[in-house]
Amino acid sequence: EIVLTQSPATLSLSPGERATLSCRASQSVSSYLAWYQQKPGQAPRLLIYDASNRATGIPARFSGSGSGTDFTLTISSLDPEDFAVYYCQHRSSWPWTFGQGTKVEIK
Amino acid sequence: EVQLVESGGGLVQPGGSLRLSCAASGFTFSSYWMSWVRQAPGKGLEWVATIKGDGSEKYYVDSVKGRFTISRDNAKNSLYLQVNSLRDADTAVYYCARAPTTPEATWGQGTLVTVSS
Repeated sequence: EIVLTQSPATLSLSPGERATLSCRASQSVSSYLAWYQQKPGQAPRLLIYDASNRATGIPARFSGSGSGTDFTLTISSLDPEDFAVYYCQHRSSWPWTFGQGTKVEIK
Repeated sequence: EVQLVESGGGLVQPGGSLRLSCAASGFTFSSYWMSWVRQAPGKGLEWVATIKGDGSEKYYVDSVKGRFTISRDNAKNSLYLQVNSLRDADTAVYYCARAPTTPEATWGQGTLVTVSS
């Protein structure tokens, strides 16, 4: 099983600041990594698929990068609606796994 | 409009069973891999199971193998998860998702399963 480790657990930032979230895999997942946003009481929303491709309707301030074992989700300038929990997930092999999440909170 | 609506959750005693359903609409259901993902209260997301469009391939997380069964009825545009031998640790919101890691990802709003005596 591939373990995904996200860091930091919590990111305290102000609106307008840049957010950088990390996801590290215990072995290579190639580019088969996705990022999700989840707000309280809501289903997850896909932001990025295959490491660097924005899903439909996702604002350009969200970007993904990386391959192999190290991945980054960057939010270039935080909007008030971006404060949420973010998860990475791989589909490189079975079983799929998620990271434990990074909470982006208002400072 | 693409839509997924889960149902079948509820309160069940340890060792009990439930059948979760996911009604799909707005797309050609049989063309898509479908998945179940769960989230325990206050915890992160956990992938549970995935089934191919024609039902010929199924995959499960180790913790549910032998207890949960994913299936689909393409004639009824429906996805199912039979959950047996339930444990406290199975308490969660169960989401169904269409091709969750692809550009066509769609998630339902979830159904809550509570395992408690």
